[in-house]
Amino acid sequence: NAGVTQTPKFRILKIGQSMTLQCTQDMNHNYMYWYRQDPGMGLKLIYYSVGAGITDKGEVPNGYNVSRSTTEDFPLRLELAAPSQTSVYFCASSEPGQGSPLHFGNGTRLTVT
Amino acid sequence: AQSVAQPEDQVNVAEGNPLTVKCTYSVSGNPYLFWYVQYPNRGLQFLLKYITGDNLVKGSYGFEAEFNKSQTSFHLKKPSALVSDSALYFCAVRDPSGAGSYQLTFGKGTKLSVIP
Repeated sequence: NAGVTQTPKFRILKIGQSMTLQCTQDMNHNYMYWYRQDPGMGLKLIYYSVGAGITDKGEVPNGYNVSRSTTEDFPLRLELAAPSQTSVYFCASSEPGQGSPLHFGNGTRLTVT
Repeated sequence: AQSVAQPEDQVNVAEGNPLTVKCTYSVSGNPYLFWYVQYPNRGLQFLLKYITGDNLVKGSYGFEAEFNKSQTSFHLKKPSALVSDSALYFCAVRDPSGAGSYQLTFGKGTKLSVIP
């Protein structure tokens, strides 16, 4: 019963490099989300998707891109990494419906130096 | 716009004593409210939610929360704290009638420490 799986767990990037954070879920959830968590700041929504082929910006989308080609996968792409993108990134999924709780992965800790 | 405030960065409570973690919210319509818990190096786990109905909702691990519309609050409570309850707790709100109705807005979190 894997739930939401994120890879890698840790990554160090140099300024200007790019990378993709992987997220996959096995619960057949239509809705998927990417959040970033900074100390003392709570979680901020980066992008979300309500189904394959449909994505939309959240609160802090600048510097990131997403795609949703399948129900299971929702990768987050960082282009031209900057120190401000140092954070812990969480992927989550949920069933349709605004009352449905989110199921979170264990996160990717990213450091940009 | 929707927002959540958790006024306490940290709450300390003795094991066996009741605990309360505070949350207030602001939305234009009727809120959907959630509590999540985060243990070190893990993702957030859902504890409970309020959508409609009884103001007192019960959730996982013996936690409960009381919705108070007049005070726009949704405080998390537990009658008897355990050391294993020590974690980071997040309140979250969603306005189902708002333009960004899929977005869940989180508070900054409250660190709960239960002292043996």
